[in-house]
This record gives sequence, structure tokens and C-alpha cells, in this order.
Amino acid sequence: QQQVKQSPQSLIVQKGGISIINCAYENTAFDYFPWYQQFPGKGPALLIAIRPDVSEKKEGRFTISFNKSAKQFSLHIMDSQPGDSATYFCAASSSGSRLTFGEGTQLTVNP
Amino acid sequence: DAGVIQSPRHEVTEMGQEVTLRCKPISGHDYLFWYRQTMMRGLELLIYFNNNVPIDDSGMPEDRFSAKMPNASFSTLKIQPSEPRDSAVYFCASRGTGAFVDTQYFGPGTRLTVL
Repeated sequence: QQQVKQSPQSLIVQKGGISIINCAYENTAFDYFPWYQQFPGKGPALLIAIRPDVSEKKEGRFTISFNKSAKQFSLHIMDSQPGDSATYFCAASSSGSRLTFGEGTQLTVNP
Repeated sequence: DAGVIQSPRHEVTEMGQEVTLRCKPISGHDYLFWYRQTMMRGLELLIYFNNNVPIDDSGMPEDRFSAKMPNASFSTLKIQPSEPRDSAVYFCASRGTGAFVDTQYFGPGTRLTVL
């Protein structure tokens, strides 16, 4: 019940395209859903996060869509750029406790 | 702010040797997390502390692994004896406390290779 399932495992997108990564969870007590971005040789860094009281959050080219009833959330990267090539992790937690991470998605944006 | 500091950045050791990884969290943060990252298992939480007290060590793989946090600015993860399957990148992360303060800040990691 603590798992967060992430898909796809890898994604290749052309420059200017839309990248979409999906996550699903089971634990209805989760109340915080962040996305982390990790470049090779670096630690993960927070990209954007959402709480279940809203269905969408947008920051620049990055948008989280949240579907509470389906227990799913997704990351959309608009106008994808080669510099967005990285590994993306979704995560979830409840009441500020430990984060449960998804398996990660390796995104490659071709020029 | 210097961020989370980890040392060493790279460690190569031989099977059976003791390995100690070090972490300095962001000043003022009272949560500290140790993670292990491998291709096969992804990002795994090993243990986390709150106010220097271990809260959940259920992710520690076996008794060869131990972690301590003697004060608010320092933590260690020790592997004794090390084995080749311990080869991974180990991350430390810290987090503050308060309303809507959930962001974990990760360090640069320690890449451990056990020969």
C-alpha cells in the first residue's frame, strides 16, 4: 500500500514536444506529491509539488495533473528541451512523513 | 547556504573493509534521511532521523549497516564488513519542520564501489 508506481521507465521525445510521466498510488493517506529531477552525477532536486486540494499546478513549462478519485498524478513537460533530459521521480508522503519514491523515468529529449 | 554536504564523493574499497559515509545536513533542518540508489532497485530509503533520533530503520538491509546522528549537524552511515553488492550511490537528504515544509534537499551523493 506504500508503493508508488511510475511509468514509463524511459521516454524519448523530440525537442518542442510534450513529455508525460504518470504515477499511481494506493495509500489514500498520502497528502503531498512531489516530482524530483535528477541529472547524472547529481542528487535528486525538487522540481514541482502538489497537494490533493487542487487538481493542477503549473510552474513554467512543468505541470502536475492530479486525479484524486483515480489515485493518479502526472507530470507534463511542455516544449521539452534537450536540457530537460534527466531522470524524473514521482513521490508521495502523508503528514510530512517519509517520502515513497516511484521507480524513475529516464527522459531523453532529442534536438 | 551550502546545501547538504556529503563526504567522500567517491569511495573504492575492497570486500570486507569498513566504510564510513558522512553527511552534514542543512543548518536548521531536523530531519535527515539516508538513501541508496542502484539501477536495479532505484532509490531506497535506508533510515531517517528526527531531532537526531532514528525514527525508521526498516530499510537498512542487514546488520552490516549502521547509522548514527550524534548531533544536529552530522550523521554517519557505516558498512562493516562491506560486500560487492553494497556498491551503489548513497544519498543523504535533510528537511525542515513546519507547515507545508516537506521538501527534502539531497546531497551530491557518495559513489561506493566495493571490489
